[in-house]
Amino acid sequence: GQQVQQSPASLVLQEGENAELQCNFSTSLNSMQWFYQRPGGSLVSLFYNPSGTKHSGRLTSTTVIKERRSSLHISSSQTTDSGTYLCALPCNMGYKLTFGTGTSLLVDP
Amino acid sequence: EAAVTQSPRSKVAVTGGKVTLSCHQTNNHDYMYWYRQDTGHGLRLIHYSYVADSTEKGDIPDGYKASRPSQENFSLILELASLSQTAVYFCASSPDWGGQNTLYFGAGTRLSVL
Repeated sequence: GQQVQQSPASLVLQEGENAELQCNFSTSLNSMQWFYQRPGGSLVSLFYNPSGTKHSGRLTSTTVIKERRSSLHISSSQTTDSGTYLCALPCNMGYKLTFGTGTSLLVDP
Repeated sequence: EAAVTQSPRSKVAVTGGKVTLSCHQTNNHDYMYWYRQDTGHGLRLIHYSYVADSTEKGDIPDGYKASRPSQENFSLILELASLSQTAVYFCASSPDWGGQNTLYFGAGTRLSVL
């Protein structure tokens, strides 16, 4: 079945540093989503990004479908960015999302 | 703002007992989902529904039943809870599908089966 691989599995930053999170997937489909999960909490959508680059504040998502990869760039990290970042891809039938295992980010003050 | 409410937020159950997790959404969304989250496995789809009174199996439906009595409510039922069902469960809703819409998640239910 479809596979979604995220890297790195975990990352520790000092506040102010930048981060680059990667997501690679096994099939070429037409959309990719990024979610943020608060420590011990729920998930919120960050980006729906079929292809190209999208920006939201200090976050930038870049998806290259033909290369089967997407990245999430966090600039000038803050302690409140700590948590888990998950990418997700729709299945062929489109009825569900397949999630990666996530990147756990810790930003130290 | 979209709202998905799960209850209870946490539960301790005994092996072999029946557990019901509830989800209520005020988004007027057609699609609702139940995912479980385990360390190292990410989120995996258990059941989903795209219309009231109908449910569909996801990737890991064994040991779980689902019920969608109305557009707003979606329940996950563990008839005979087992140790392996200890996990965090998330309900989510979405207005439509085809991968063109994002999911709105509830806060999660932490289930411990002893």
